[in-house]
Amino acid sequence: QVQLVESGGGVVQPGGSLRLSCAASGFIFSNHGMHWVRQAPGRGLEWVTYIHYDGSSKYYAESVQGRFSISRDNSKNTIYLQMNSLRTDDTAMYFCARGGIFGVIRNPDSWGQGNLVTVAP
Amino acid sequence: QSALTQPASVSGSPGQSITISCTGTSSNIGSYNLVSWYQQHPGKAPKLFIYEGNKRPSGVSNRFSGSKSGNTASLTISGLQAEDEADYYCCSYAGSSTWMFGGGTMLTVL
Repeated sequence: QVQLVESGGGVVQPGGSLRLSCAASGFIFSNHGMHWVRQAPGRGLEWVTYIHYDGSSKYYAESVQGRFSISRDNSKNTIYLQMNSLRTDDTAMYFCARGGIFGVIRNPDSWGQGNLVTVAP
Repeated sequence: QSALTQPASVSGSPGQSITISCTGTSSNIGSYNLVSWYQQHPGKAPKLFIYEGNKRPSGVSNRFSGSKSGNTASLTISGLQAEDEADYYCCSYAGSSTWMFGGGTMLTVL
């Protein structure tokens, strides 16, 4: 079965950086686009970023454009989220989720359990 | 990038049916047949219940159904059960490989 496991979260000061990882198993990772979605404490879901199956294209929400960067290593079945210039309103649970196959547009289907990022002085 | 609009809360008694609406615009829900619905219990990851407007993943009860009219999508849950109590989120493709979520609806089973 599809399994997604996030790691790398923690506490960081405003202006700092953090890199999240998401290790995938149970499906052909290199065939699928991948999403990051976040959820601030007590709030709703917010789509953050998407990367094509081969890493050729990347897309970002306006709220993180220019500060966050998504990447993937298909040899390691892993995606990454590099977060720079972090702000207190970036505090959230960050989920990775599977997208469509071979560039087909699909909403997130399988989700990881999430990893908490806290940005505080 | 404003969120899709959902009611903050809905409630129903066991056995009843409820409907959760999700209102967007002609740039997202109205333009694509790519609306999905997720159930989320407290402290858990979201789980896909409806995709592409009205399709159910394997294992999801047929008590859950989706529909769309214009810029509004809807999730209907029939025969409410206690375990349906959770938060529900809609999601729509918004073009140019971007997506947006609704603000979420808390379902209470009375």
